Formats: sequence, C-alpha cells, structure tokens
Amino acid sequence: DAGVIQSPRHEVTEMGQEVTLRCKPISGHDYLFWYRQTMMRGLELLIYFNNNVPIDDSGMPEDRFSAKMPNASFSTLKIQPSEPRDSAVYFCASSTSGEYNEQFFGPGTRLTVL
Amino acid sequence: DAKTTQPPSMDCAEGRAANLPCNHSTISGNEYVYWYRQIHSQGPQYIIHGLKNNETNEMASLIITEDRKSSTLILPHATLRDTAVYYCIVLRSKGGNNRLAFGKGNQVVVIP
Repeated sequence: DAGVIQSPRHEVTEMGQEVTLRCKPISGHDYLFWYRQTMMRGLELLIYFNNNVPIDDSGMPEDRFSAKMPNASFSTLKIQPSEPRDSAVYFCASSTSGEYNEQFFGPGTRLTVL
Repeated sequence: DAKTTQPPSMDCAEGRAANLPCNHSTISGNEYVYWYRQIHSQGPQYIIHGLKNNETNEMASLIITEDRKSSTLILPHATLRDTAVYYCIVLRSKGGNNRLAFGKGNQVVVIP
C-alpha cells in the first residue's frame, strides 16, 4: 500500500487566495483526520470523518476553513480566504475502527501564505 | 483524557538503550497509554500502546508501573534514525475514533 497520500507537498500562496489541500487515505480505512502543526501550537486536530461523515469539527479554527470527504478515497481541506497565520504543515491521517488506535499519517502539506 | 508530562528533551548514546519517561498521574482505569514519534519533516508514526501490562513489539518496549501513573518507552538499541520527537498520549478507549492530543513531546537526540 502506498500509505496516506497528500497533495500538494508544498504550497505558497498570497493572502486572500483560496487554498485546497488533498488527501487520499489508506484503502479500507474508515476514519480520516486532518491535523495542523505550527511551532506555537504544536499538532492539533482540526476535524475527523468516519465513513465519509464529519464527526467532530470543533478544532476547525473558523469559517474560513472547510473540509469535505465526498467518497472513501478522497478528502479536501479548503481555506478561503487564506491568511498568513494559516501558514503551517497540514497532515492527513487515516485509521480503521479496529482494535487499537493506530493512525497512519501522510507526509504533510507545507502551506505558506504570504 | 488524562494529561501527560514528559521531559522536553534528552540525549541518548547510539547503540545504547534509550529510556523515555512519561508521567500520567491522573490516568483512569479505562485509559490506554500510546506512544507516537515524529521524525523531522515527516508525519507522526505510531510506536506502541498498552493498558496495564508491559508490551513489546519490533520497535520498542513499553513498561507501565503497577499504579499506572507513569510509563517508560524503551528503545533497546538506539540508532541515529531514532532521533525524533516522542509523544506520550493517554486515550480513553481503543478504536479508531479517538482524537490524538499531542502535547509538546520529548525531543530525543541520539548521539554517535
């Protein structure tokens, strides 16, 4: 298996632009998580899905952020409009509802908003 | 979920066992101890987890004290590739629907 795939790996954009981050979870996994990592706040969970349905979005910072999972093999995290404080590494992870909590993380997308 | 306390950083000698401590004094009976690590510029990686018994896998061993208020992750023969931030996380139950709350972790540097 290729693992969790994220694209793009790096994104540089200007303030006010729309940014879309993409994630392909591991096949067969029914949970998908979006995390954000910054030096100030560390790793924080933004939202997670179970069977394509958003379960907990309490970590989404504000209405500028939205996430979708149209099918079991694809999810997007959108920021519109983007701001410099959104600069961070965004990780996607997936897991099964199996015996224990092993989340498999993707390589991350490094977002820079100028 | 119970809060955990780890040293902010530590050095370990290559080839020696690395013992990474974690305090979780408020852990409750149905909470598990999980360990993840994050190598620089990569996503976090699951290492091991346990409830009350000691656990071992191909990566590490987990020793949980009898009162479950602390635990130690042991990397038996540390290599340079083990340099990473190690996170000790306490979770209420098993299963995929748990939010991982990463604290600041322990920056472990393996020295040649």
